[in-house]
Amino acid sequence: GAGVSQSPSNKVTEKGKDVELRCDPISGHTALYWYRQSLGQGLEFLIYFQGNSAPDKSGLPSDRFSAERTGGSVSTLTIQRTQQEDSAVYLCASSSFQAKNGYTFGSGTRLTVV
Amino acid sequence: SQQGEEDPQALSIQEGENATMNCSYKTSINNLQWYRQNSGRGLVHLILIRSNEREKHSGRLRVTLDTSKKSSSLLITASRAADTASYFCATVDTGNQFYFGTGTSLTVIP
Repeated sequence: GAGVSQSPSNKVTEKGKDVELRCDPISGHTALYWYRQSLGQGLEFLIYFQGNSAPDKSGLPSDRFSAERTGGSVSTLTIQRTQQEDSAVYLCASSSFQAKNGYTFGSGTRLTVV
Repeated sequence: SQQGEEDPQALSIQEGENATMNCSYKTSINNLQWYRQNSGRGLVHLILIRSNEREKHSGRLRVTLDTSKKSSSLLITASRAADTASYFCATVDTGNQFYFGTGTSLTVIP
């Protein structure tokens, strides 16, 4: 597609349940990033995929968070045993290898843990 | 588009000098943020300035915002070799949509 697609756009889940968030990057973009934004705050880096290299997971806040990128394209971010502090907007971005045209962000998934 | 544009695209300075990067944008914003990216790493949030603020400081960073000119500047004082990175401005509109520029590549020579 023309842009980065994220689904679902909104997700309300009960505390303790697992959730999966999906990101479909721009075709041909080798780099994919996951960020989290709490209300009124800046973006918090979570994880970075670049081609076939091992992902940079240094931003994942706990072992309840994991992400995969299958076939160098679609990525899923999984949060296990969700907590209320996980409530945020989760943003995905993709770019070409050297980000010569900057980053393209998806519209995000708003996660609410009740 | 709303995408922020950084200027210059690349900047090379000696350690100890100040580095200034500029960002221009096109439409109304809720806030403007500056990010840094080291090679091969994710974006790191540096500072956020709201549309009703004109200047903000954080350590060696100074950010200004001129909404009448739709521009912002990031000043890094007393630069260090470790400041070598790409710096991006991001504008956030009232719908919380982010728009990133293409960045300024800063090289600080020891």
